[in-house]
Amino acid sequence: QLQLQESGPTLVKPSETLSLTCIVSGGSITNYSYYWGWIRQPPGQGLEWIGSIYYSGSPYYNPSLKSRVTISVDTSKNQFSLKVNSVTAADTALYYCARHVSYVEYFDSWGQGTLVTVSS
Amino acid sequence: QSALTQPASVSGSPGQSITISCTGTSSDVGSYNLVSWYQQYPGKAPKVIIYEVRKRPSGISNRFSGSKSGNTASLTISGLQAEDEADYHCFSYAGSYIVIFGGGTKLTVL
Repeated sequence: QLQLQESGPTLVKPSETLSLTCIVSGGSITNYSYYWGWIRQPPGQGLEWIGSIYYSGSPYYNPSLKSRVTISVDTSKNQFSLKVNSVTAADTALYYCARHVSYVEYFDSWGQGTLVTVSS
Repeated sequence: QSALTQPASVSGSPGQSITISCTGTSSDVGSYNLVSWYQQYPGKAPKVIIYEVRKRPSGISNRFSGSKSGNTASLTISGLQAEDEADYHCFSYAGSYIVIFGGGTKLTVL
């Protein structure tokens, strides 16, 4: 059974870089049918798609975050990563990684999420 | 690209039917039959319950149904049960490798 697990620092200082990794187990990240994505949810708010990537390394991003976000994939470790630069308190959120059934379709499997707080 | 518009909250009594709307534009919901819906319990990750407007993943109750008219998609839950109390989020492809979520709707079962 596919499992996704987010890992990374839970506290980041303003202006610094938020870095998270999603470890995929129970399935290969190189499965050609899927993309891999990041979604976030500020406390008490709705979901926001951050971006997605294919195993070959072609990422695409939410235009509102594109200037600060980098998503990469490491097929040798079966994981993919997220970096958000120049964070502010507005980046405080529950961050989820998820499997994306093609870049136009839905997310069918999610990690449990990790809360990242931006604070000095 | 703005978020899809959902009502902040809806409510219904056990056994009733409720409908949650999801309004987009002709560039997203109106252009593609690629709307999906997610159910999210407090403290849990979202779970897809409808994809491609009206299809249900394996294991999802047929009490959940989806539809679309123009730029608005809808999720209907029939025979409302206490366990349906959760947040519901719509989601759509918006072209040019962009996907967007709705703002989310809190369903209360009275």
